[in-house]
Amino acid sequence: DAKTTQPNSMESNEEEPVHLPCNHSTISGTDYIHWYRQLPSQGPEYVIHGLTSNVNNRMASLAIAEDRKSSTLILHRATLRDAAVYYCILSYGSGNTPLVFGKGTRLSVIA
Amino acid sequence: DAMVIQNPRYQVTQFGKPVTLSCSQTLNHNVMYWYQQKSSQAPKLLFHYYDKDFNNEADTPDNFQSRRPNTSFCFLDIRSPGLGDAAMYLCATSRVPGGYNEQFFGPGTRLTVL
Repeated sequence: DAKTTQPNSMESNEEEPVHLPCNHSTISGTDYIHWYRQLPSQGPEYVIHGLTSNVNNRMASLAIAEDRKSSTLILHRATLRDAAVYYCILSYGSGNTPLVFGKGTRLSVIA
Repeated sequence: DAMVIQNPRYQVTQFGKPVTLSCSQTLNHNVMYWYQQKSSQAPKLLFHYYDKDFNNEADTPDNFQSRRPNTSFCFLDIRSPGLGDAAMYLCATSRVPGGYNEQFFGPGTRLTVL
């Protein structure tokens, strides 16, 4: 599996935007970029995913670099409920390929 | 609401005593996964089923087995739990395999081994 690199931790003030970076320099052409988050004492939950173009949904935005070697998850207004570990995961587009989690970024949100 | 359900949420077992964790889903998804998550670590995939086809990760110990009797249910059997098997066990599903699919996770079962 292709590898991702994320900062161990980040901190944000409540109601401010948060940009969570992810490097994936060995990404292949058919790898999808997924983001999941895990709130304390809960299972991971899907946030967003994309292949080449930037993506928006109700939770977040995903900005993908033109060369696809990095991406950024954008939370537009952080809330206390957004404090979680955020995982950036690459997953091969076809075939029997489950998600393989890396270490993730622990996001703290300060009131 | 369609969901992934794990029972029990907390399980205590004794060293060496077999234990079974269960997962059910109302999403009618074809794929079911089991992950192990130890304290302060990322989830680690143990194995998954694509329909009835079982796919074991190369480094999953033989002590861990799984059964999927039908689409809705999947079980994780730990034949002889050791202290090192204490962890959160997460079940997940996806409609089909492949990197473009979202995985849906259950709340997990926290296993304590005494």
